[in-house]
Amino acid sequence: EAGVAQSPRYKIIEKRQSVAFWCNPISGHATLYWYQQILGQGPKLLIQFQNNGVVDDSQLPKDRFSAERLKGVDSTLKIQPAKLEDSAVYLCASSFGQGAGSPLHFGNGTRLTVT
Amino acid sequence: SQQGEEDPQALSIQEGENATMNCSYKTSINNLQWYRQNSGRGLVHLILIRSNEREKHSGRLRVTLDTSKKSSSLLITASRAADTASYFCATAIFPGTASKLTFGTGTRLQVTL
Repeated sequence: EAGVAQSPRYKIIEKRQSVAFWCNPISGHATLYWYQQILGQGPKLLIQFQNNGVVDDSQLPKDRFSAERLKGVDSTLKIQPAKLEDSAVYLCASSFGQGAGSPLHFGNGTRLTVT
Repeated sequence: SQQGEEDPQALSIQEGENATMNCSYKTSINNLQWYRQNSGRGLVHLILIRSNEREKHSGRLRVTLDTSKKSSSLLITASRAADTASYFCATAIFPGTASKLTFGTGTRLQVTL
């Protein structure tokens, strides 16, 4: 089966600019996650979708971050305006089952550098 | 805040040796998962162990879970250079109808020839 696809692979922007990331999960996977991974740390959950509904966005900085999942399939994560501390790898993952009861499949991530 | 804490933070061994990584967590869990991350790549799932299980094996991997001590360990036997990666534990809890998977800080494993 095809894996989780993410684009772009790398992005460099200046602070206060906006940026968007795209994710296409594995076909048939109901749950989709966006994680933020700062260098040297473990991934931190930003938002979790079950089909096209939000299950958990408690750690999403909603003043600057937004995410949507179109028709319960693809998803986009947007940052506007970006800050220096947003420099990180943004990982998308999907799982077949409901939430964390089954393994997550990760994409290779988008490395964001904010200058 | 991150639920799991891995120990050690970094580990360097020679090919053929065994590598043991530990994970401690704070609250009751439904399952615990181990993932591997090669440099510049996404995470790859290794093993999922449920709270009512004590040990699981997968190839050269052995995972134990001690819920009374809130800890888990990952053992990689007969390590290879290709095992060089960061290893993360992730704990799953199910509050209500949702479920949360929280990752630890990771152990960086270096396997040298």
